[in-house]
Amino acid sequence: KAGVTQTPRYLIKTRGQQVTLSCSPISGHRSVSWYQQTPGQGLQFLFEYFSETQRNKGNFPGRFSGRQFSNSRSEMNVSTLELGDSALYLCASREVSTDTQYFGPGTRLTVL
Amino acid sequence: AQSVTQLGSHVSVSEGALVLLRCNYSSSVPPYLFWYVQYPNQGLQLLLKYTSAATLVKGINGFEAEFKKSETSFHLTKPSAHMSDAAEYFCAVSALSGGGADGLTFGKGTHLIIQP
Repeated sequence: KAGVTQTPRYLIKTRGQQVTLSCSPISGHRSVSWYQQTPGQGLQFLFEYFSETQRNKGNFPGRFSGRQFSNSRSEMNVSTLELGDSALYLCASREVSTDTQYFGPGTRLTVL
Repeated sequence: AQSVTQLGSHVSVSEGALVLLRCNYSSSVPPYLFWYVQYPNQGLQLLLKYTSAATLVKGINGFEAEFKKSETSFHLTKPSAHMSDAAEYFCAVSALSGGGADGLTFGKGTHLIIQP
């Protein structure tokens, strides 16, 4: 099976812009989670989607949103970008039968 | 609420020596514990996970970890370090087996350096 794919891998934006990141989970996985990784805060949970429904959200402002499509692909959107949003954004898909999360390579977002 | 503390942001060992990366957790419910490895410019790869079965868990690449409830610890070990083990290692805890709805709570990470 192909692994978790994330596009784009690298992104440069300026303050105030918005950005959309995409994640395609492993085939058959219906759960997708998003994490933000920064040198200062480490890895932090953003939100999790299961069968197109957001089940939980971490402690992030409303500028961070997401959605999941019927084919389990997920998108994450950040509006009104701030310098502090510069980070590696990781997507993970979960195999329910083994309760294992598999991570994608991430999208490196730089906000100038 | 869960939390994870990884002791030592950097650990340096000689090639062939024992690797010991420390992880202590706090959880209000029986935890599920994970170790992930991250190589430069890559995502996270699962090394092993504890889900209330055997307390000694064997993972990939020769790594293993022991769950000690009395010490609230889940330290990662490998008998003999290899140069390819140089990477960032993360310990994570979840109240749910797969870290689903509540997500995984990660430690700050330990950078493992292998000296030739």
